[in-house]
Amino acid sequence: DGGITQSPKYLFRKEGQNVTLSCEQNLNHDAMYWYRQDPGQGLRLIYYSQIVNDFQKGDIAEGYSVSREKKESFPLTVTSAQKNPTAFYLCASSRSGIGNTIYFGEGSWLTVV
Amino acid sequence: AQSVTQPDIHITVSEGASLELRCNYSYGATPYLFWYVQSPGQGLQLLLKYFSGDTLVQGIKGFEAEFKRSQSSFNLRKPSVHWSDAAEYFCAVGQTNTGNQFYFGTGTSLTVIP
Repeated sequence: DGGITQSPKYLFRKEGQNVTLSCEQNLNHDAMYWYRQDPGQGLRLIYYSQIVNDFQKGDIAEGYSVSREKKESFPLTVTSAQKNPTAFYLCASSRSGIGNTIYFGEGSWLTVV
Repeated sequence: AQSVTQPDIHITVSEGASLELRCNYSYGATPYLFWYVQSPGQGLQLLLKYFSGDTLVQGIKGFEAEFKRSQSSFNLRKPSVHWSDAAEYFCAVGQTNTGNQFYFGTGTSLTVIP
């Protein structure tokens, strides 16, 4: 099946540890995105990438890092510098160009204790 | 700056009643507009989208939305709500003049009562 796969679904980490969330898509989309969602809030853009080996900061990039070594993969690392990392993280992808639709994965819950 | 406003944080409707969720956008060019639905702990599912043409667009699950340029609105409607429609709904605008970027509203939470 075509789609966006995020893993793990649930992740628990101790404060001060880095953690990496995986995102893989087999839709052949050029653009990929990471959003953060806090309870009762909307989506906030962390990073996005429009092409392999290139990515841009979104609205809340501090404390996060990404890489885009392959078209189908866009992992997100939540570093110890992120002050409030506990949240629901959504990966998404879209074709490049005018009028394309953004599609989402099922999300990953990160809890830092 | 581009923005999307969903004025209603939470709406409660009775099963079988009609529904309208409001969305207003601010965007200088022709907007590309979307409605998504999110069940608890899940990703966002596309309900419908407007790119051009007919301003009334039909989506999945019996939803429709109407684009009104004069009001900068893209309200979502359903004539008869089912209990399974209880979820969070997000309106979004796609920006295309500087690459693929999407702006989301803060969402409207829908509760359906028997």
